Amino acid sequence: QKEVEQDPGPLSVPEGAIVSLNCTYSNSAFQYFMWYRQYSRKGPELLMYTYSSGNKEDGRFTAQVDKSSKYISLFIRDSQPSDSATYLCAMRTTGGSYIPTFGRGTSLIVHP
Amino acid sequence: DAGVTQSPTHLIKTRGQQVTLRCSPKSGHDTVSWYQQALGQGPQFIFQYYEEEERQRGNFPDRFSGHQFPNYSSELNVNALLLGDSALYLCASSVDNQNTIYFGEGSWLTVV
Repeated sequence: QKEVEQDPGPLSVPEGAIVSLNCTYSNSAFQYFMWYRQYSRKGPELLMYTYSSGNKEDGRFTAQVDKSSKYISLFIRDSQPSDSATYLCAMRTTGGSYIPTFGRGTSLIVHP
Repeated sequence: DAGVTQSPTHLIKTRGQQVTLRCSPKSGHDTVSWYQQALGQGPQFIFQYYEEEERQRGNFPDRFSGHQFPNYSSELNVNALLLGDSALYLCASSVDNQNTIYFGEGSWLTVV
């Protein structure tokens, strides 16, 4: 079992839809949770990060962490064709290694 | 302000050859990490350099080596290339071990 699991998709939605992207993990020591967006043939770009449990909102994006279920989500409201990309979750512990562990990414397609 | 820059952007090598990839971190960043991203997979951590020393290493063979220079720029060297080394190689920079890491556009390596 991988430490971080993420459905590769693709997830295809119409413009304006609410998108839900998810990851599960097995390491209960993970405390920092991050979401990256990666456009085709480009490097990943950090969208948001959260510490421990709870929600964090930034514009159309909301990150949610449920540590009891070892489950994190990224919600995108009013999705746009420009949101079409691969979304990678990543997470790390607070001590020891500061290196994040990445999921394999979910491909999102928002069609007009 | 230039972000993380990597060179070359694309290259093709033959099995058994050696390759050197280069990275200049974002201005003010002192920590450089290298990742390998195979098609359809998330980035896999290779190693991290800080103060010209390899600080952490992922599960990669000794064929993968690196260097960090006094100006914080870095190189990744891969010897005895295998077909399985074909991937996108990403450089990421940060200020020490902060969560906000910035990725470059990557170097696409194809081994034939």
